[in-house]
Amino acid sequence: LAKTTQPISMDSYEGQEVNITCSHNNIATNDYITWYQQFPSQGPRFIIQGYKTKVTNEVASLFIPADRKSSTLSLPRVSLSDTAVYYCLVGGLFSGGYNKLIFGAGTRLAVHP
Amino acid sequence: ETGVTQSPTHLIKTRGQQVTLRCSSQSGHNTVSWYQQALGQGPQFIFQYYREEENGRGNFPPRFSGLQFPNYSSELNVNALELDDSALYLCASSLGGGQGTHGYTFGSGTRLTVV
Repeated sequence: LAKTTQPISMDSYEGQEVNITCSHNNIATNDYITWYQQFPSQGPRFIIQGYKTKVTNEVASLFIPADRKSSTLSLPRVSLSDTAVYYCLVGGLFSGGYNKLIFGAGTRLAVHP
Repeated sequence: ETGVTQSPTHLIKTRGQQVTLRCSSQSGHNTVSWYQQALGQGPQFIFQYYREEENGRGNFPPRFSGLQFPNYSSELNVNALELDDSALYLCASSLGGGQGTHGYTFGSGTRLTVV
């Protein structure tokens, strides 16, 4: 699974848009990009997944450039409840056999009033 | 649809003791993975169970072992506890032996403190 690099921490204010960029220079052709969110003392929760261009759901948008060597998670109009750690993961969707999620240290987002 | 349930939520053990952590998978899921998360770090893969057999393992010593039962629930056993074993232990269930990076449901974890 490709290694990912993200900022260690970010700060924002309520109502602002937050963009968290993840670098994955060694992404493989069949790798998808997935983002998880984790609140203190809880397990990670799936946010969004994409392969290329742009994906949007009710929670976030994911922007992936043509070379796929990076991706940006966009959280529109954040609130205090969006304060969490965000993880970027890269891996195959159906790689067969067993599969494991490789988490880095993630990005700690702090949203202030 | 029930989520992943882990028990106990918190546990304190003495160095050298043994501990068993339990996980009930989400309804419809047949695969369980266990992760260890030290304070301030991302979760680290311990192993995965599919159809009651371990079919993948991370870089953890043999004193970390597990079981999966016919109802797909699972146990994580750790023998000869060390202080560094203090962490949040997360269970994740999914459908099928491998789902890539999608389709995992995590429990809230068991916070293990070794003193």
